[in-house]
Amino acid sequence: KNEVEQSPQNLTAQEGEFITINCSYSVGISALHWLQQHPGGGIVSLFMLSSGKKKHGRLIATINIQEKHSSLHITASHPRDSAVYICAVPRSGTYKYIFGTGTRLKVLA
Amino acid sequence: EAGVTQFPSHSVIEKGQTVTLRCDPISGHDNLYWYRRVMGKEIKFLLHFVKESKQDESGMPNNRFLAERTGGTYSTLKVQPAELEDSGVYFCASSPRGPSTDTQYFGPGTRLTVL
Repeated sequence: KNEVEQSPQNLTAQEGEFITINCSYSVGISALHWLQQHPGGGIVSLFMLSSGKKKHGRLIATINIQEKHSSLHITASHPRDSAVYICAVPRSGTYKYIFGTGTRLKVLA
Repeated sequence: EAGVTQFPSHSVIEKGQTVTLRCDPISGHDNLYWYRRVMGKEIKFLLHFVKESKQDESGMPNNRFLAERTGGTYSTLKVQPAELEDSGVYFCASSPRGPSTDTQYFGPGTRLTVL
């Protein structure tokens, strides 16, 4: 069992829908990182958070350290949001990231 | 400020050949990381440099992989000889400080295809 689990693995949505991607982890961490990988392959950092909630545009990330769970929400989804969303956690006290397998999101126009 | 850059963006080689991947971190970032994603699997840590020193290379798959960071600036990752299972996307990331709460900035990746 992977130490970082994401769900769903694949998600297809209609433009405008509210989207939620979940990440659960089993290791002790001090922060969690949400990344976006576009079809071209490059990775973009979306959020790093250690508690509560962060918002950037239509993206909202929340984390519950006690429950070892984080969610990434996309409001008013758009086809350009289509990408793979990856949750990554640095193992507590180290710089080593453990990555989830990613959630492949496709937003249809 | 320029981000992390990687070269080439895509490399196609035959089994047994040698390939060298390059990563230029963000200027001033002492920490440089290499990661790899093979098809269908999650991204895996390969190694970590602090300046020119290898801090941790526990993720390197075998001795066919050699990473260097002479002068503590850019880094190269050489695969010699390449095998089919080396195909994947190789990512580089950098960070200024390196503790676990420090954001790592990722490069666009190099897609390696070994035929």
